[in-house]
Amino acid sequence: KNEVEQSPQNLTAQEGEFITINCSYSVGISALHWLQQHPGGGIVSLFMLSSGKKKHGRLIATINIQEKHSSLHITASHPRDSAVYICAVHPERDKLIFGTGTRLQVFP
Amino acid sequence: GAVVSQHPSRVICKSGTSVKIECRSLDFQATTMFWYRQFPKQSLMLMATSNEGSKATYEQGVEKDKFLINHASLTLSTLTVTSAHPEDSSFYICSAAGVVGNNQPQHFGDGTRLSIL
Repeated sequence: KNEVEQSPQNLTAQEGEFITINCSYSVGISALHWLQQHPGGGIVSLFMLSSGKKKHGRLIATINIQEKHSSLHITASHPRDSAVYICAVHPERDKLIFGTGTRLQVFP
Repeated sequence: GAVVSQHPSRVICKSGTSVKIECRSLDFQATTMFWYRQFPKQSLMLMATSNEGSKATYEQGVEKDKFLINHASLTLSTLTVTSAHPEDSSFYICSAAGVVGNNQPQHFGDGTRLSIL
């Protein structure tokens, strides 16, 4: 079993839909990242969380440390949101553990 | 936000060639840089961690003589794939952190797609 599990693996949506991507992990962590990888491969860090909730534009990330679970929400989705979204956790050692990603396609 | 520049973005070369990939932090001093490899539709796999001025720490299964890492300054780390073969074809991506330790964001480069013929 992977230490970081994401669901769903693939997600399609119509423009404007509300999207949720989930991440569950099995190790103790000090922080969790949500990353966005575009088709060209470049990666952008969206959020780094250690508790609670963060919001940036149409993106919202939440984390529940007790339940070892985080969610990434996208409101009013747009085709330009199409990308792979990756959850990565910082365990007690100083190396990220990555989930396998959620491939999102938003159609107009 | 912090910017990490990775160059080149794409390399196509013959088997046996050595390929150097550069990773630069443009507006901050990167104490630690990480090199990852990603196969199609798979997650990133950490290859090695480099700290400025010291030898890189390689992950299990990564050949240090095959993948040479140099972190000579606080703004530049290089990965050299020596005598590359088709099985080395992959997407390589670096990230940089300003301070060693947990709870520090990593800033990623745009990656290098390496194709060995």
